[in-house]
Amino acid sequence: NAGVMQNPRHLVRRRGQEARLRCSPMKGHSHVYWYRQLPEEGLKFMVYLQKENIIDESGMPKERFSAEFPKEGPSILRIQQVVRGDSAAYFCASSTLDSINEKLFFGSGTQLSVL
Amino acid sequence: KQEVTQIPAALSVPEGENLVLNCSFTDSAIYNLQWFRQDPGKGLTSLLLIQSSQREQTSGRLNASLDKSSGRSTLYIAASQPGDSATYLCAAGNNRKLIWGLGTSLAVNP
Repeated sequence: NAGVMQNPRHLVRRRGQEARLRCSPMKGHSHVYWYRQLPEEGLKFMVYLQKENIIDESGMPKERFSAEFPKEGPSILRIQQVVRGDSAAYFCASSTLDSINEKLFFGSGTQLSVL
Repeated sequence: KQEVTQIPAALSVPEGENLVLNCSFTDSAIYNLQWFRQDPGKGLTSLLLIQSSQREQTSGRLNASLDKSSGRSTLYIAASQPGDSATYLCAAGNNRKLIWGLGTSLAVNP
């Protein structure tokens, strides 16, 4: 059973370009979370999605950032018009149930570098 | 607003030592307290999850305790091994969001 798969592992973008980060949850998992880890800072919650639904996006910046988890295919975190401050490691996690005490399984992350 | 603090920030010990990592949180209204391990380039691995109604959880050489009233959790690692070298993160569960500490970077020297 493959774990949570994130790609690409490393993504380099120039300022103003778009970044698309993909996350395929573990088989059988229908709940996806995105977290961001800025340099020298702790991980910060961004968004929680179930298939075709955004449940909680309170951690998402109001502009340029969007996320989706379609019925088929991976979850996508999209950052439009990237700026240097978007450079960070982006981690995706998945779980089976909509339970507060459900263990999360994390991917290896995507390291975004904005030049 | 929940804040999570971990001390020490870094720790270096010889192999075989028992050690304690500390985590404190400011808001005791948590659903759970979780400990993770982060290895460079390998993401995060869930180690232990203590529900708010529980006092401790154990897995192998790891034991985590939770004292909600004092806002503290400790991770105890027995008989440390070089393979335990990693960054250990604690996170306070607030509904479906995790509020994270900055971690303790552990080096176990052979």
